Amino acid sequence: GENVEQHPSTLSVQEGDSAVIKCTYSDSASNYFPWYKQELGKRPQLIIDIRSNVGEKKDQRIAVTLNKTAKHFSLHITETQPEDSAVYFCAASQGAQKLVFGQGTRLTINP
Amino acid sequence: EAQVTQNPRYLITVTGKKLTVICSQNMNHEYMSWYRQDPGLGLRQIYYSMNVEVTDKGDVPEGYKVSRKEKRNFPLILESPSPNQTSLYFCASSVSQSTGELFFGEGSRLTVL
Repeated sequence: GENVEQHPSTLSVQEGDSAVIKCTYSDSASNYFPWYKQELGKRPQLIIDIRSNVGEKKDQRIAVTLNKTAKHFSLHITETQPEDSAVYFCAASQGAQKLVFGQGTRLTINP
Repeated sequence: EAQVTQNPRYLITVTGKKLTVICSQNMNHEYMSWYRQDPGLGLRQIYYSMNVEVTDKGDVPEGYKVSRKEKRNFPLILESPSPNQTSLYFCASSVSQSTGELFFGEGSRLTVL
């Protein structure tokens, strides 16, 4: 089955700097790669996703890149703000059926 | 308001006492799933359902049961809870199993003594 590894487990950046979180997956058949953000005490919420037919997708300050050959994908957050502090999860699957999540990255934005 | 609702939100119980966590969604979603969240392990899938009367095991199904008799409800049953089932549980739903976005409930924190 699919296995997703996520790094780093914790990340601390200065406000205004960029943050990058990386994930690798094992199943070459996976074609859907979402990222979820979980604020303290809240439910995970989708922030961006990418399908295997594209290499990059952007939404304002957030971007995701996908390298199918190397089987890794990354989340990039630019111009970080205090409200970006949260736990971020990557995931991989074929559709939503058996979405396998990474271990999570706790991102802290320092003022 | 479109939402996924879980009940109870918090529960402390004792080993062996059967319990059910209710999950209900009002979005007419076909796909529903249960996850448990543990520190350092991320979200791990317990069971999922692609439609009414169709359920299947996720990655950590041992000790759990589910049923899907109605489209909107997907209860998680712990027949004989044990301390290693102490965790934060999330129910989630999606339009279909091929559609990406999962909508999560608020979570149910379960402690088994």
